Parts: sequence; structure tokens; C-alpha cells
Amino acid sequence: NAGVTQTPKFQVLKTGQSMTLQCAQDMNHNSMYWYRQDPGMGLRLIYYSASEGTTDKGEVPNGYNVSRLNKREFSLRLESAAPSQTSVYFCASSDRGRETQYFGPGTRLLVL
Amino acid sequence: KQEVTQIPAALSVPEGENLVLNCSFTDSAIYNLQWFRQDPGKGLTSLLLIQSSQREQTSGRLNASLDKSSGRSTLYIAASQPGDSATYLCAVPSGGSYIPTFGRGTSLIVHP
Repeated sequence: NAGVTQTPKFQVLKTGQSMTLQCAQDMNHNSMYWYRQDPGMGLRLIYYSASEGTTDKGEVPNGYNVSRLNKREFSLRLESAAPSQTSVYFCASSDRGRETQYFGPGTRLLVL
Repeated sequence: KQEVTQIPAALSVPEGENLVLNCSFTDSAIYNLQWFRQDPGKGLTSLLLIQSSQREQTSGRLNASLDKSSGRSTLYIAASQPGDSATYLCAVPSGGSYIPTFGRGTSLIVHP
């Protein structure tokens, strides 16, 4: 039982490049989330998916897109990376949206 | 919008001390409150989840209390150990929502 997995663990991009961060969970959870964590700012919600087939914006969605591919997988795409998107990105999942959130190990992204 | 404040921001104590971490929130119409632990360079691990109908939850040396009316929660750590060194985050949903807002955390160092 791997829980929540994220790939890649580290990534360096140049300004303007695109990339997709992958997230998968094996706990049959309905809800999935993408957060970014920055020093002094705490964790901020980018997008979430309450259930398969639905996605909604969080606090800081600009510059990102998401896809809930199926119940297990929720990807985050940066279409044109900017230095302001340098951050640590965490994926999380929960059952029914009201219970404990389980987090992945994070993806550390540096945009030059 | 829910605002979550954690005090103190940092804490350094000798091994064996009992300690209290504080979390306050502005909107008391909440479903639950969670306490997480984050080790450096790692993801978040859920420690305790308190439902809105509960006053406290215990797990081993950890005890979390919830006072919805005053918008406060405390995390009590008994007989602290160096292995408890980490950042502790409080997460509280906004009224009517299950999406949590995170505090900025308390960075704890327990020295031998």
C-alpha cells in the first residue's frame, strides 16, 4: 500500500517550459488536492477534485491546469513556467472530503 | 475566509518537557480540525483529526483539544523526545466547506 505517490521528486525548468506533475493514490479516495508550499506562506491550495470528473480552483490557480484522469490519478500542469512557480508541490487525498488528508512526499520545482 | 494562526512560530525545549502548541481560527463553523507533522524535506503526516462534535483526541503522547466557540485548538506533547523535532501544522476548514486552510506551523526542536 503505497498511499500517495508523486513524480518527479525534483525538477529544474527554464522559464517558459512546460511540465506535468503526476500524483496517484491507491486508497480509493474520492477527493484529491494540489498544494504549493513556500517559505513564510505556508501551504496554499492550487486546485482540488472532489470526485472523479470534477475539478475546482483553490486559492492560487493562476498559471496551472489540472486533470482528474481517473479516480486514482490527479495531474498538475504548468503550461509556461515562471520563476514565481518555484516551490514545493504536494498532492493529497481524502475520503468523502471530510476525513484525514494523506499527503505525498512532494515535488521540488526550480524555475530558472 | 478562514484564517489560521499558530503560536509560537518556533520552540526549542530540552528533552522530557511537556509542551503545548496553539492554533487559533477565525471561523468556528467547522467540520473538523487536523494536526499534522512535517519533517524537513518531507510531506505532511496526519497526527490527529478532531471532529466538530469532539472536544479532544489522544494518540500516544499526543493530545489535541478543540474549543470551537473560542476558535482554539491545542496540541499537547507529553515527555518530549528529540524524535519529536519537526514542524507541526494545524489545518481547519472554512465554514460550510471541507477544504482546510493551513496555519504556518510551529517549528519544534527538542534537544537532548
